Amino acid sequence: GQQVMQIPQYQHVQEGEDFTTYCNSSTTLSNIQWYKQRPGGHPVFLIQLVKSGEVKKQKRLTFQFGEAKKNSSLHITATQTTDVGTYFCAGRTGNQFYFGTGTSLTVIP
Amino acid sequence: NAGVTQTPKFQVLKTGQSMTLQCAQDMNHNSMYWYRQDPGMGLRLIYYSASEGTTDKGEVPNGYNVSRLNKREFSLRLESAAPSQTSVYFCASSEAFLAGRALRTDTQYFGPGTRLTVL
Repeated sequence: GQQVMQIPQYQHVQEGEDFTTYCNSSTTLSNIQWYKQRPGGHPVFLIQLVKSGEVKKQKRLTFQFGEAKKNSSLHITATQTTDVGTYFCAGRTGNQFYFGTGTSLTVIP
Repeated sequence: NAGVTQTPKFQVLKTGQSMTLQCAQDMNHNSMYWYRQDPGMGLRLIYYSASEGTTDKGEVPNGYNVSRLNKREFSLRLESAAPSQTSVYFCASSEAFLAGRALRTDTQYFGPGTRLTVL
């Protein structure tokens, strides 16, 4: 069945270091979305990528969608303590979204 | 404008009991979703409703039923709760939905979640 794998599961970084999480799908995606979930909270939409090879930036966050529309990445430059949380990708195939397992980011001050 | 609301926030059930989780959105969204979140598993789609009057199974529908009561409300029912259904349940909505097409308005807005424990 459809699977969206996300790595790493956990990442601890010193404040100021960079962070990257990767998503890989077993099938081609219509689009991919990224969400952030703070501890005890609910997922909050960050961005959507639709086109093959698309790159979008939001301040220190850079999102990429692979050429084959099967993989994506989120890169955070110079992490801050406010970046703490779990980052999920969600790929759309047909009528459904398939979420990755998430990457939990801890930022050490 | 409350966004997506869910009730209850917490619930403890005994095995075999039934309950209904309520979800409502005030954003005039067409599509609504129910997910469950388990540690290390991410979010898994249980059921979704692309538009008022339609419902479809997601990835993990067994043991659940849903009702799209009207455009605003989408409920999830556990007929006979099992310990394996212990989870955090999230409802979400999105503005528009068309099968097989990518839309700008595909953003999902999530409710605060319901923490369910089945003993």
